[in-house]
Amino acid sequence: AQSVTQPDIHITVSEGASLELRCNYSYGATPYLFWYVQSPGQGLQLLLKYFSGDTLVQGIKGFEAEFKRSQSSFNLRKPSVHWSDAAEYFCAVGRGTALIFGKGTTLSVSS
Amino acid sequence: ETGVTQTPRHLVMGMTNKKSLKCEQHLGHNAMYWYKQSAKKPLELMFVYSLEERVENNSVPSRFSPECPNSSHLFLHLHTLQPEDSALYLCASSQEVGVVSTEAFFGQGTRLTVV
Repeated sequence: AQSVTQPDIHITVSEGASLELRCNYSYGATPYLFWYVQSPGQGLQLLLKYFSGDTLVQGIKGFEAEFKRSQSSFNLRKPSVHWSDAAEYFCAVGRGTALIFGKGTTLSVSS
Repeated sequence: ETGVTQTPRHLVMGMTNKKSLKCEQHLGHNAMYWYKQSAKKPLELMFVYSLEERVENNSVPSRFSPECPNSSHLFLHLHTLQPEDSALYLCASSQEVGVVSTEAFFGQGTRLTVV
């Protein structure tokens, strides 16, 4: 069965430091991969997506993610974190009719 | 209005009450979804609708009853809920279903508390 694993439940990063959030997927075919962000009290907003082609994808708010088939990973990165990036981040894989989500990683940003 | 709008934003209901959650999308999409977001658990897909027809029911208890009168509106009717049903209920829409490239747009959710 398809699944998504986000190994880190909670990460704290200093403002201005770089960020990497991990995501591993289990999927038999070519995956369609997504990263969403959820700010407190809000719905989910799409950051970026990978369908095919270039394995490094750029998203909104300065985020990027790299698809590595050999590692079944789709890690999210940002070179310099801002305090407003504090939120919960979800990795997801497209499956048939809908999305399968990981449990999420909560990002805290310290000053 | 644009995007996906959910009402109410917050709802407190007793276990014997009947209430409904409403979702409206202004994106011209053909597919709509209900997800449940509980603490410490992944988002759980509940229902999928395509052009007002239910295409997936993800083993959801019958105390949750969805309704999709048209492609822009989706309801979740609630009755005799349990405290463990307390969660954030998210509505989403996408252009189509049946393709794996499902880019979904989410509403802000309804925070449901069952007392």
